[in-house]
Amino acid sequence: DIQMTQSPSPLSAFVGDRVTFTCQASQDIRNSLNWYQQKPGKAPKLLIYDASNLETGVPSRFSGSGSGTDFTFTISSLQPEDIATYYCQQYDSLPHTFGQGTKLEIK
Amino acid sequence: EVLLVESGGGLVQPGGSLRLSCAASGFTLRNFWMIWVRQAPGKGLMWVARINSDGSSTDYADSVKGRFRISRDNAKDTLYLHMNRLTSDDTAVYYCATSPDSGTYSDWGQGTLVIVSS
Repeated sequence: DIQMTQSPSPLSAFVGDRVTFTCQASQDIRNSLNWYQQKPGKAPKLLIYDASNLETGVPSRFSGSGSGTDFTFTISSLQPEDIATYYCQQYDSLPHTFGQGTKLEIK
Repeated sequence: EVLLVESGGGLVQPGGSLRLSCAASGFTLRNFWMIWVRQAPGKGLMWVARINSDGSSTDYADSVKGRFRISRDNAKDTLYLHMNRLTSDDTAVYYCATSPDSGTYSDWGQGTLVIVSS
């Protein structure tokens, strides 16, 4: 199975900060990577697909980049409603594995 | 509006069985792969199973293979997860999700909680 490792967790930042966290795959997954946001008690929500494509309706402050084994997720200006846990997920090969999550907190 | 509503969760004894359902509305189920993902209490997300648009192809996580079966009834716009020989490790919130390409999970239900305990 492909292992997905996210860092850091947790991550604390101020409102308005630029926030970046990473996801590393244990082998080359090309750009077969998605990012999801999960708020407490809620279902995950797709934010970024194919490593860098913004899902329809998702605010443009969210972005993703990377390919191969190293990927980055960025929030350009942190908002209070962005408090959540963020998961990366690879779909290059079965089983489709998720990272352990990055929990984002407000300072 | 795409809506997925899971049901069928609850408390079941170890070794028991349960069938989860995921009712879809606001879109045509037969056009999508469908996925089950679970989340143990306080833990991360785990892919469980997937099924293609017409139900002819299925895949499972090793931990559920041989015990769980994913199926669908496109005429009823409903996805199922048949779970047998349940253990405490299967305790989790189970989510269904749509997938346009089998790899990206676009829309999710609210989840249904399965507790395996004596």
